[in-house]
Amino acid sequence: DVKVTQSSRYLVKRTGEKVFLECVQDMDHENMFWYRQDPGLGLRLIYFSYDVKMKEKGDIPEGYSVSREKKERFSLILESASTNQTSMYLCASSPRRGTKLLKMKRLFFGSGTQLSVL
Amino acid sequence: AQSVTQPDIHITVSEGASLELRCNYSYGATPYLFWYVQSPGQGLQLLLKYFSGDTLVQGIKGFEAEFKRSQSSFNLRKPSVHWSDAAEYFCAVVRPMNRDDKIIFGKGTRLHILP
Repeated sequence: DVKVTQSSRYLVKRTGEKVFLECVQDMDHENMFWYRQDPGLGLRLIYFSYDVKMKEKGDIPEGYSVSREKKERFSLILESASTNQTSMYLCASSPRRGTKLLKMKRLFFGSGTQLSVL
Repeated sequence: AQSVTQPDIHITVSEGASLELRCNYSYGATPYLFWYVQSPGQGLQLLLKYFSGDTLVQGIKGFEAEFKRSQSSFNLRKPSVHWSDAAEYFCAVVRPMNRDDKIIFGKGTRLHILP
């Protein structure tokens, strides 16, 4: 089975700290994603990556950045954490289908990181 | 803009009763449609998906969903729920054939089961 591992299940940080959320997948997937999940808002896409060193902004990229130096690892960075970034963060991966078009047929999710910014 | 609507935030049913969770999408062509389930403290798990063909799709855990183009709906059903089905359910849609494919999620429906 595909395994997507998020390094921390719970994380507590202070306002202004730089925060790194790590995600590793073991199935050689090309595509990786970071979502945040908030009650009543569902999942919102922060950033995604189609390949190593490639990144694309999602719907809510403000206040975040990402890094994809290796295919299996996709890091989400909060440059200066704020209280409104308290949330559940979910990482996901999917294989690329076809050589020309990116048909992401399904996502494999990690268990999530609950981040609290005080 | 493409969107997914789950009109029910919470649904409560008795164990053994039937279930239907609603999902509507707004998109011109036939999208790829999914239902995911999230149990407490867990990530999301794929229940089923629809790409083309038979509009009634079977998934895991006894769930099924029916794609109805005329109603732009993809409702999830189960004939008899179990207490372990208590979870949050997300409908999602992928816009195919574009370079910047994204998976768009609904806001979720939380299912509560009465004993």
